[in-house]
Amino acid sequence: EAAVTQSPRNKVAVTGGKVTLSCNQTNNHNNMYWYRQDTGHGLRLIHYSYGAGSTEKGDIPDGYKASRPSQENFSLILELATPSQTSVYFCASGDAYEQYFGPGTRLTVL
Amino acid sequence: GQQVQQSPTSLVLQEGENAELQCNFSTSLNSMQWFYQRPGGSLISVFYNPSGTKQSGRLTSTTVIKERRSSLHISSSQITDSGTYLCAMERDMGYKLTFGTGTSLLVDP
Repeated sequence: EAAVTQSPRNKVAVTGGKVTLSCNQTNNHNNMYWYRQDTGHGLRLIHYSYGAGSTEKGDIPDGYKASRPSQENFSLILELATPSQTSVYFCASGDAYEQYFGPGTRLTVL
Repeated sequence: GQQVQQSPTSLVLQEGENAELQCNFSTSLNSMQWFYQRPGGSLISVFYNPSGTKQSGRLTSTTVIKERRSSLHISSSQITDSGTYLCAMERDMGYKLTFGTGTSLLVDP
């Protein structure tokens, strides 16, 4: 069954530390996305990718980097984590018509 | 300002009642999608509906692109329908979505 998986599911990090969130999809979709979800803001697009080797900035890219080493994998990197990056992060893969979401990663930055 | 406005923000129903959720867009859009999210859960696509009316079981979505609005109708609500419903618009080529803040639905027995 096609799926989007994320790891870790929960993460506690310290301010100034480096955090890497990983996403894997078996949908064979070219497009992948990273969102964060915060109360009152809904989901906001951080970075996205159209295929292996490509990354693009979304609506709120500051403080985040992304990496797409293969069709299946898309990572979100916080080089210097800050408390304002405490949130739930969702990865998605998609085609021209729909996006399919992973289970989410709850990140707490202390 | 918010490009995607959802209403109502929250809704409480008695089981068996119907619900109408609205989504309005402040800019032009290519298509839109409705998602369902259980508390603490992931998003599940309910409808991809670029235009017109689509039905799946007790759910019906109607999108009028020219009027920049979409609705989701839930008939004969069930307790298991409880959760948050989000709409999202595809705002330009590249299949990027802009989300509304959601409607929280609670169906009581």
